[in-house]
Amino acid sequence: DADVTQTPRNRITKTGKRIMLECSQTKGHDRMYWYRQDPGLGLRLIYYSFDVKDINKGEISDGYSVSRQAQAKFSLSLESAIPNQTALYFCATSAVGGLETQYFGPGTRLLVL
Amino acid sequence: GESVGLHLPTLSVQEGDNSIINCAYSNSASDYFIWYKQESGKGPQFIIDIRSNMDKRQGQRVTVLLNKTVKHLSLQIAATQPGDSAVYFCAENSWNRDDKIIFGKGTRLHILP
Repeated sequence: DADVTQTPRNRITKTGKRIMLECSQTKGHDRMYWYRQDPGLGLRLIYYSFDVKDINKGEISDGYSVSRQAQAKFSLSLESAIPNQTALYFCATSAVGGLETQYFGPGTRLLVL
Repeated sequence: GESVGLHLPTLSVQEGDNSIINCAYSNSASDYFIWYKQESGKGPQFIIDIRSNMDKRQGQRVTVLLNKTVKHLSLQIAATQPGDSAVYFCAENSWNRDDKIIFGKGTRLHILP
């Protein structure tokens, strides 16, 4: 079973709609992250959370919000989707303690029409 | 500003040959470096990491070399196989950046039969 899961895997929505992407992990990690990936670009950090009560903005947080419902769950919302939010979205986790690698989910492919 | 970049966007290698993927970084305070592999339709997968107090680390068929003097990182894959076809990302992290990883844009490794 995958350690980091994301739902849905694919989503098509229309401009102005609110959508939520969900992430769950069974690794027991405290830290969770949301990234977006665009063709030809690296991963860019949207939001990250060091624990349930600690949520921080990343490089490109405008237009997004997050909720850390539990240690194992971290959801990303697009309040009013726009076409330039079409991208591949990845959730990741890492263990507490600083310089540790991150473990990624399989991604959600989002298309905003 | 900080950047993690790759010299070549695409690398074609004959099956069985060794592959070398290069990466430059600009943050002299970087403490930790990671290589990820991303296959089509999947999330990035950890390959190997190295901390700044080392200059070489070996894994199974992979070696990472770190040259802090010129801020250069490389990934060597021995006896390249068809399953090595993927996009490879270098990434770096440092204590002074709140443990946020910065990813390079990626190099696509193409294996020739």
